[in-house]
Amino acid sequence: QVQLQESGPGLVKPSQTLSLTCTVSGGSISSGGYYWSWIRQHPGKGLEWIGYIYYSGSTYYNPSLKSRVTISVDTSKNQFSLKLSSVTAADTAVYYCARAWLHPGLSLKFDYWGQGTLVTVSS
Amino acid sequence: QTVVTQEPSLTVSPGGTVTLTCASSTGAVTSGYYPNWFQQKPGQAPRALIYSTSNKHSWTPARFSGSLLGGKAALTLSGVQPEDEAEYYCLLYYGGSVVFGGGTKLTVL
Repeated sequence: QVQLQESGPGLVKPSQTLSLTCTVSGGSISSGGYYWSWIRQHPGKGLEWIGYIYYSGSTYYNPSLKSRVTISVDTSKNQFSLKLSSVTAADTAVYYCARAWLHPGLSLKFDYWGQGTLVTVSS
Repeated sequence: QTVVTQEPSLTVSPGGTVTLTCASSTGAVTSGYYPNWFQQKPGQAPRALIYSTSNKHSWTPARFSGSLLGGKAALTLSGVQPEDEAEYYCLLYYGGSVVFGGGTKLTVL
């Protein structure tokens, strides 16, 4: 069974860059058709899609975050990463990684999620 | 900015049936939006329930079903159990990007 696990600092200072990594086990990040996603949830609020990446490096980002987001993949480590620059208190949230199978014209299937990691932006 | 709208809250009695809906600010939701549905309980990560309108994951209980209804995506729970009390989120696909709905808090009372 595929498992995803987020890791990274739980506290980031304002104006700095938030960096998180998602490690995938039980399956290859290079499997065709899968997009590897980052999603966040502000305290007490709903889910917000940040973006996703294909193993080849192709990315899609939420337009509202695009100027500050970079998602990258390391197939040798079976990991993908999130960088969010110039953070403020508004970026305090639980960050989840998830897997999605996308076949344009056919299907989109989100299935496995990580447990999530709380990142607090504070000085 | 595309907005996906869900009912903020619904209440259902145990054993009853309830339908949650998911609307797009761009117009009628069709199968090409590949609606996905998720369940989230307090303190837990979301769990996927339905993908591409009506397809269930191997772990999805039979009482959950997805459909298109009146220009919206819909999630129907039949024979609701107390453990179904949770927040439910839909997600729609917009040609590359995706957008989550605001969530529906389902109370079983």
